[in-house]
Amino acid sequence: GQQLNQSPQSMFIQEGEDVSMNCTSSSIFNTWLWYKQDPGEGPVLLIALYKAGELTSNGRLTAQFGITRKDSFLNISASIPSDVGIYFCAGQLTGGGNKLTFGTGTQLKVEL
Amino acid sequence: DGGITQSPKYLFRKEGQNVTLSCEQNLNHDAMYWYRQDPGQGLRLIYYSQIVNDFQKGDIAEGYSVSREKKESFPLTVTSAQKNPTAFYLCASSIQVRLSYGYTFGSGTRLTVV
Repeated sequence: GQQLNQSPQSMFIQEGEDVSMNCTSSSIFNTWLWYKQDPGEGPVLLIALYKAGELTSNGRLTAQFGITRKDSFLNISASIPSDVGIYFCAGQLTGGGNKLTFGTGTQLKVEL
Repeated sequence: DGGITQSPKYLFRKEGQNVTLSCEQNLNHDAMYWYRQDPGQGLRLIYYSQIVNDFQKGDIAEGYSVSREKKESFPLTVTSAQKNPTAFYLCASSIQVRLSYGYTFGSGTRLTVV
């Protein structure tokens, strides 16, 4: 099955730094979602995007739906230790039926 | 509170034994899904069900079986035919007609073969 390409695969940053990650595909998506997974838990939805070009914020998190509908990015500003975890993008393919396609994940580690 | 519950949180199995992982939701969601996650890896779809008494294979269905006799429940059986069953298993559910709301995930079951 298709998976979305996420980059970077992992990041090790200092507390207070801004973080940026992205998700790309060769196919067109009509919905983009960003999830965070804490260690040993299930992913939790952070942000949902529904239109090309849409920019949405949730606290220190900002995500954008790419104009081409083939990509999305997530920014985290002023990172804190509790930002540690795996971040997944997910999307619904145009004509892809009633399933989400998930990215490969970005593992974020924050150094105090 | 509505949610999706997976049990048990940790499960140990001897080689050659079948084991069943429980997934229950009280969100009135139509669709349910099972994913497998290996260390440092993404999510791989095992099975999904869009309606009671119907389910479809995902990308890695071999060695697994499911049933959907009730809307609320979607148990996953890991059979002895699964060659490498040690992994973290996640169950999810969604409102079928509003997939744009995404999935709600359970907290996972970590299966270890001993």
